[in-house]
Formats: sequence, structure tokens, C-alpha cells
Amino acid sequence: AQKVTQAQTEISVVEKEDVTLDCVYETRDTTYYLFWYKQPPSGELVFLIRRNSFDEQNEISGRYSWNFQKSTSSFNFTITASQVVDSAVYFCALSGYSSASKIIFGSGTRLSIRP
Amino acid sequence: GAGVSQSPSNKVTEKGKDVELRCDPISGHTALYWYRQSLGQGLEFLIYFQGNSAPDKSGLPSDRFSAERTGGSVSTLTIQRTQQEDSAVYLCASSLAHGSGYNEQFFGPGTRLTVL
Repeated sequence: AQKVTQAQTEISVVEKEDVTLDCVYETRDTTYYLFWYKQPPSGELVFLIRRNSFDEQNEISGRYSWNFQKSTSSFNFTITASQVVDSAVYFCALSGYSSASKIIFGSGTRLSIRP
Repeated sequence: GAGVSQSPSNKVTEKGKDVELRCDPISGHTALYWYRQSLGQGLEFLIYFQGNSAPDKSGLPSDRFSAERTGGSVSTLTIQRTQQEDSAVYLCASSLAHGSGYNEQFFGPGTRLTVL
């Protein structure tokens, strides 16, 4: 069975602090994709990143960085120098490797950035 | 081009009534997915269609839920005899489904269902 666990339900930090959102996944597949999505208060889902299971290189995009570790089945997301606009619910997710596959989402972490 | 559209955007119904939610996928997308997001929860997979293959219904929570995809395009999610716990935002997504690589799922704005 596939499962994604985001143990942090809510996080609140002061602006400019760094914050890491944890994600642990379970799958029996040897090949799979991992994702992070952002859901701001407006409600739409915003795609942030996709990584495939072959590529464990960490990725950095501006203030965002992702740490994928297969050995611990984790795909953590760090926001550096957080800003109020980063306030949102963040979902970690997992899908199979076929050309069309359902996405299994974690329960989300609500991130609040205080000015 | 147009993205995934869903209608209605909001639906309020009384307990016990049937409701139909509609999804118009992006033109040419052969894969279509339904997800549900209950208040304060993550997204829960419900069902997906890929081309002419039998749909994957493994996420449907009960036999009150069903979905159809007519002509490989528009999909309708039907909830019979609605219950208050069915209140949620129902999201539709579509994607291409070709090749062996990843095909991004594009999400619609959702239908907010409230069962009184």
C-alpha cells in the first residue's frame, strides 16, 4: 500500500526564519514519483516540485529546497528566509511511475508565517 | 488554452438528496481523476479514468458514489443519498497519458459541496 505521512499538522514561525516541512512515504514500488504542492488560502493547488525515485539529488529553487533520502523514505521541504506569502497548506504526495497514475497525498502541513 | 473546469463551483444540498458534479478536462487529456478534500484534510483519491480502460474505483468511499466519463471527455461524479460527511471540496484533474514518463496532472478549481 502507498502512504504519505506529514506528521507536522501546523507550524508557525516568524518571518525570515527557516522552516522545514517533513514528509515520510511508504510504497512497495521500486519506481515512483514524489511531489510537493502548495495550497494558499485561495484554495487552488499549486505544483511546486516533482522528483522521480531514481534521482536523489537535492534540489534548490530560490528560497525553496528539497531533500530526498531513499534510505529513510523521506522527502523534506525547506523554506529559507520565510515570508508571509509562504503561508499556506503544503502537501507532500506520491504516485506510481506509469504514464497515468493516481496521486496519494499526505494530510498536509499548515504553515503560518508571522510578520 | 482552457484549463480543467468544474461545475458548479458551489453546491448546497439537503441530506438524502442526490448530486451530480461535472468536470471538463483539458482537451486531448485522456486521463481524468477525481479527488476529495474534506475540511482541514488532505486530498483523497476517489477514481480515475484512462482512455478506454476500466476505471480505477479503488478510492470510492461507498457505493453511493459513482462516476462516468462519456465519450472520453466530460466526467460526472454522482453522490446518491448524500450524507453530511460527504461535505467537502471535490477536485478534478486531467492529464495526458502517453509514453512511459510522467504526465502532469492539472487540477480544476473544485466544487464545494455542503450537505445540510
